[in-house]
Amino acid sequence: GAVVSQHPSWVICKSGTSVKIECRSLDFQATTMFWYRQFPKQSLMLMATSNEGSKATYEQGVEKDKFLINHASLTLSTLTVTSAHPEDSSFYICSARGQGAGRSYNEQFFGPGTRLTVL
Amino acid sequence: GQQLNQSPQSMFIQEGEDVSMNCTSSSIFNTWLWYKQDPGEGPVLLIALYKAGELTSNGRLTAQFGITRKDSFLNISASIPSDVGIYFCAGYLGAQKLVFGQGTRLTINP
Repeated sequence: GAVVSQHPSWVICKSGTSVKIECRSLDFQATTMFWYRQFPKQSLMLMATSNEGSKATYEQGVEKDKFLINHASLTLSTLTVTSAHPEDSSFYICSARGQGAGRSYNEQFFGPGTRLTVL
Repeated sequence: GQQLNQSPQSMFIQEGEDVSMNCTSSSIFNTWLWYKQDPGEGPVLLIALYKAGELTSNGRLTAQFGITRKDSFLNISASIPSDVGIYFCAGYLGAQKLVFGQGTRLTINP
């Protein structure tokens, strides 16, 4: 399958600081990228969907001013957690889809995730 | 809220046994995807299903898209230790939003 990378794989920060997470599609052009959040022993929760060159669409209950998403190119999307607080600590996973990534455009490929710990 | 009901939530089996898990929904899905997630990693796509009734295999894994388009199952034959992990079903609700089941945690006793 197609390859999606994420950086960093883990980050520890102080409360009140901002953290940026990068998501890259390595071998295909990702017309749509998604950001998920996952708590321990729970399923993935979609935070937002972004199409290249457009503003992200946020799910209900997700603060767009706190979780800034930029999808400036067909291979890169970033999630910035602004003024992070301990309750923002979680596993953040991006995914991407695009033409040629899989057998169908509907196949979504996930990055390895970023574990954020806010002290 | 959660649109997909996945069962069982957990399974404890012996190595070599076959495994079966399924997902059901009250909504019709056009695509079913099955993923496996290892601890601390992102989900990896195992099988994608696009047509009602479709039966697809990937090695020891077999998945089917239910005729009603409201359910799907995943079977694993002759389980091995590396099959341990969490398996998620997922389906598209609308054109873009992928909805996930609660996951099935598979534990294998050697």
